[in-house]
Amino acid sequence: NAGVIQTPRHKVTGKGQEATLWCEPISGHSAVFWYRQTIVQGLEFLTYFRNQAPIDDSGMPKERFSAQMPNQSHSTLKIQSTQPQDSAVYLCASSSDRNTGQLYFGEGSKLTVL
Amino acid sequence: QQQVRQSSQSLTVWEGETAILNCSYENSAFDYFPWYQQFPGEGPALLIAIRSVSDKKEDGRFTIFFNKREKNLSLHIKDSQPGDSATYFCAARGNSGTYQRFGTGTKLQVVP
Repeated sequence: NAGVIQTPRHKVTGKGQEATLWCEPISGHSAVFWYRQTIVQGLEFLTYFRNQAPIDDSGMPKERFSAQMPNQSHSTLKIQSTQPQDSAVYLCASSSDRNTGQLYFGEGSKLTVL
Repeated sequence: QQQVRQSSQSLTVWEGETAILNCSYENSAFDYFPWYQQFPGEGPALLIAIRSVSDKKEDGRFTIFFNKREKNLSLHIKDSQPGDSATYFCAARGNSGTYQRFGTGTKLQVVP
């Protein structure tokens, strides 16, 4: 089992450009979560899907952030008109256990907005 | 608002000592409390977890002590090793089907 795969590992964009981050969850896992990690805020919840359906996007900044899960094997997080404050490590996690909700994280995508 | 708090951003202990990492939470509906360990360049990985019906969970050198009345918990790392140097995140979750809330992490350094 390859674990959660995130691409790209590093992305540098200019202010105002668009960034798309990809996540491939562990095969058979029914839930996919996106978190943003910064030194100051730690791990902030963004959004999650269960069985491909969006369940909770209460952590998503409005207007510029969107997430999709078009099939069970991948999810995307898109940030439009990127700003320097969007610079962070974006972590994707998947889970198969609804009872405990144990999360399996990918290595993250480090986004740098210049 | 920060629903899960870790009081120390960093902690340094000598090899062989017991490291104690503290965590508190606000929501009494939380019932599952995992601790994650993260090394640089990697994602967090589950280390040990406890449910609110228990007051202690032990796994090798790692022990969680849980106080439901006070809404706090601590992770004890016995006989700390340099390889334990990492960032530790306390997390909490309510009823099944919701997401985990994380603290800001404690960076542990174990000095040989």
